[in-house]
Amino acid sequence: EAQVTQNPRYLITVTGKKLTVTCSQNMNHEYMSWYRQDPGLGLRQIYYSMNVEVTDKGDVPEGYKVSRKEKRNFPLILESPSPNQTSLYFCASSLIAGGLYEQYFGPGTRLTVT
Amino acid sequence: AQKITQTQPGMFVQEKEAVTLDCTYDTSDPSYGLFWYKQPSSGEMIFLIYQGSYDQQNATEGRYSLNFQKARKSANLVISASQLGDSAMYFCAMRDRMDSSYKLIFGSGTRLLVRP
Repeated sequence: EAQVTQNPRYLITVTGKKLTVTCSQNMNHEYMSWYRQDPGLGLRQIYYSMNVEVTDKGDVPEGYKVSRKEKRNFPLILESPSPNQTSLYFCASSLIAGGLYEQYFGPGTRLTVT
Repeated sequence: AQKITQTQPGMFVQEKEAVTLDCTYDTSDPSYGLFWYKQPSSGEMIFLIYQGSYDQQNATEGRYSLNFQKARKSANLVISASQLGDSAMYFCAMRDRMDSSYKLIFGSGTRLLVRP
């Protein structure tokens, strides 16, 4: 089944404790992206990747890191989480980097930082 | 600047009836894609339908159709024969090539409630 998977689905952590949210897609998509969704602010892009080893900042990259060592994986790293990073996070992928194809979303990760 | 506007924060529809969710967009790029996503209360974001700016015909996917009026810059979603499982948030979104990140620009969403 073609899909984007994220782990964990739910996470409660404390300020400053490094964490990684994994994202993997099995559709051989070039383009991958991370969004966060917050009430009243909608979905905002954190980072994106046009292909392996090609990543760039989105609209709200502060406090996050990413890597793209393999085409299928695009982990999101929070080196020192803070309460303002409490949010619903989505990983998404799309067929071709420069195209206007639909993005397929993972199931989301609900992160709470206390 | 690119923008998506959804003016209906919430809507009700009777089960088995059709409903139209409004979406207008703004971009100066002649090449763009328009999308609708469904977000049920469980939180996942489900892709429903896509319309390309150069597509001559309106997109359809099962009970979903997109009423694309290019001159008016509108891309309304029509759901026919509503089902209880259609109750969810619906987001209109756009991608174009003016934004080098190729991110999706989302509207604020419409919450649809299907009444039995």
